[in-house]
Amino acid sequence: SAVISQKPSRDICQRGTSLTIQCQVDSQVTMMFWYRQQPGQSLTLIATANQGSEATYESGFVIDKFPISRPNLTFSTLTVSNMSPEDSSIYLCSVEFPSGRYQETQYFGPGTRLLVL
Amino acid sequence: KQEVTQIPAALSVPEGENLVLNCSFTDSAIYNLQWFRQDPGKGLTSLLLIQSSQREQTSGRLNASLDKSSGRSTLYIAASQPGDSATYLCAVKNSSASKIIFGSGTRLSIRP
Repeated sequence: SAVISQKPSRDICQRGTSLTIQCQVDSQVTMMFWYRQQPGQSLTLIATANQGSEATYESGFVIDKFPISRPNLTFSTLTVSNMSPEDSSIYLCSVEFPSGRYQETQYFGPGTRLLVL
Repeated sequence: KQEVTQIPAALSVPEGENLVLNCSFTDSAIYNLQWFRQDPGKGLTSLLLIQSSQREQTSGRLNASLDKSSGRSTLYIAASQPGDSATYLCAVKNSSASKIIFGSGTRLSIRP
């Protein structure tokens, strides 16, 4: 299986500030995803991070609030901008390998636990 | 629009019991279905993935089945252990290039 790391693992931030979360994969992947999991809820996809092009955002999520970078095939960042307490969540990155390898299983990072005061 | 439902939301059973977790989806034209485990405050661990052409997958004490026509999947856990306590999520993918859609999860507690 893939090894995916995220930094930071957790953080406590003040409202109005921004936090950048990093996701590193131990092998090259085409598709990387960013999810949010609010307390007691299931996962919601924020965006798909495409290497070499703009990220594709889901309904309800915008680039100004959640800018994403994907500089290469093993790394991506998600920034949570101008944070409010409603942004307190676990943020997870995930990757999917192409068909034929790991059977298109999605693998998830350990998550970044964010608390906004 | 695909919707994924998991029932029950929470389940508590004594150690050693066999148990079944349920997942249902509204659009039977799926590409694959995946079961995950999530420990409190942690990321997700992939347990089993079933392609649309498959009926079941097994890994150790876990067996996942898929009935596309009825829009249902089950995760069977044999001889449950306290270490199985976690939230179990199923997720459905509609096509090869689409996102996966998660159910709300079943929070499982195994009592020693």
